[in-house]
Amino acid sequence: AQRVTQPEKLLSVFKGAPVELKCNYSYSGSPELFWYVQYSRQRLQLLLRHISRESIKGFTADLNKGETSFHLKKPFAQEEDSAMYYCALIYDYQLIWGAGTKLIIKP
Amino acid sequence: GAGVSQSPSNKVTEKGKDVELRCDPISGHTALYWYRQSLGQGLEFLIYFQGNSAPDKSGLPSDRFSAERTGGSVSTLTIQRTQQEDSAVYLCASSPGTPYTGELFFGEGSRLTVL
Repeated sequence: AQRVTQPEKLLSVFKGAPVELKCNYSYSGSPELFWYVQYSRQRLQLLLRHISRESIKGFTADLNKGETSFHLKKPFAQEEDSAMYYCALIYDYQLIWGAGTKLIIKP
Repeated sequence: GAGVSQSPSNKVTEKGKDVELRCDPISGHTALYWYRQSLGQGLEFLIYFQGNSAPDKSGLPSDRFSAERTGGSVSTLTIQRTQQEDSAVYLCASSPGTPYTGELFFGEGSRLTVL
């Protein structure tokens, strides 16, 4: 069955430190994966998608089919990165969502 | 409007009452989704509309929940005889439709509190 796992409910790091939010998936086909972000008092929005291979706000994510992972990384965390992050997988006409990781950046 | 609009933004109701939550998607978006977001639970899929049809209602938790969409636009999620466990943020999202790209545009949500 299709599944997305985000093992950390909460991740707290200091400003300037590297950040890695983990995402693992279970899918038999060729996956299309996304990271969505929800800042405090803002609506949930797309951060990046693996197909684009882009860097948004300094974040990157690489699809590793061997490890079935799509971890989100940033080399130097900033306070404005504090938010809720969701990993998601396309399945048919919808997204399969992870439970989310709350990222707190400490000053 | 420029984005997905939801109303009310906050609703406090008494157990047993009915509530209606409204979603106005981005103009031209044929696909519309309702999700429930509970603390620590992530996003729970409720229902999917393509146009006015709902090919997937599998996420509706019970027969107290229903939804409709009219004119390929506005959607209403109705919860009858509300229970305390219905308290959550209800999110609506829309997308342009097929081919499905995975990019959803979300509203700000309707926070429901059942006393």
